[in-house]
Amino acid sequence: EPEVTQTPSHQVTQMGQEVILRCVPISNHLYFYWYRQILGQKVEFLVSFYNNEISEKSEIFDDQFSVERPDGSNFTLKIRSTKLEDSAMYFCASGLWTYEQYFGPGTRLTVT
Amino acid sequence: KNEVEQSPQNLTAQEGEFITINCSYSVGISALHWLQQHPGGGIVSLFMLSSGKKKHGRLIATINIQEKHSSLHITASHPRDSAVYICAVGDNTDKLIFGTGTRLQVFP
Repeated sequence: EPEVTQTPSHQVTQMGQEVILRCVPISNHLYFYWYRQILGQKVEFLVSFYNNEISEKSEIFDDQFSVERPDGSNFTLKIRSTKLEDSAMYFCASGLWTYEQYFGPGTRLTVT
Repeated sequence: KNEVEQSPQNLTAQEGEFITINCSYSVGISALHWLQQHPGGGIVSLFMLSSGKKKHGRLIATINIQEKHSSLHITASHPRDSAVYICAVGDNTDKLIFGTGTRLQVFP
């Protein structure tokens, strides 16, 4: 059964560094999402992406964040200059329709 | 007020018990999702429903659109069912709005 994959599973970085989190959505899916979960808190929406552009973003998704679908298979989340408060689990999701979402296993980002 | 509320927050059960987790929401939705999160953190989608009832193995999910309420039932619970169960609703845009989750522990 096809699944969403994410790499790396765990990323440790220093404050101020750039990180790129990678996701490979299910191949025929059209809608792509990033969510994050700070330890002990609920999952929060970051951004949705369709037709090669952002369709919606949350207040969290400020100028430090960007998303890209560089080659038709990968979907990346870049954080330009990481802060301590960016430490969280980041989940990618994809769907063929707007109302369905299949989640990846997550990338745990630790900013020191 | 939270847009998605789950109850209970924590639940313990003996193996074999019937379990119910509730979710109430206040926004108009396109679909409701039940998700499972294990201690390692990964999220697995259990159900996506917009009406009625779905069953998969020992899991049953129901939704009442008029009452803005959904339930997740686990029959014949087992220790491997121990996890956090999360209700999330898709609003009329793309995004999911998540509940805080219900932590379930099933003891042998």
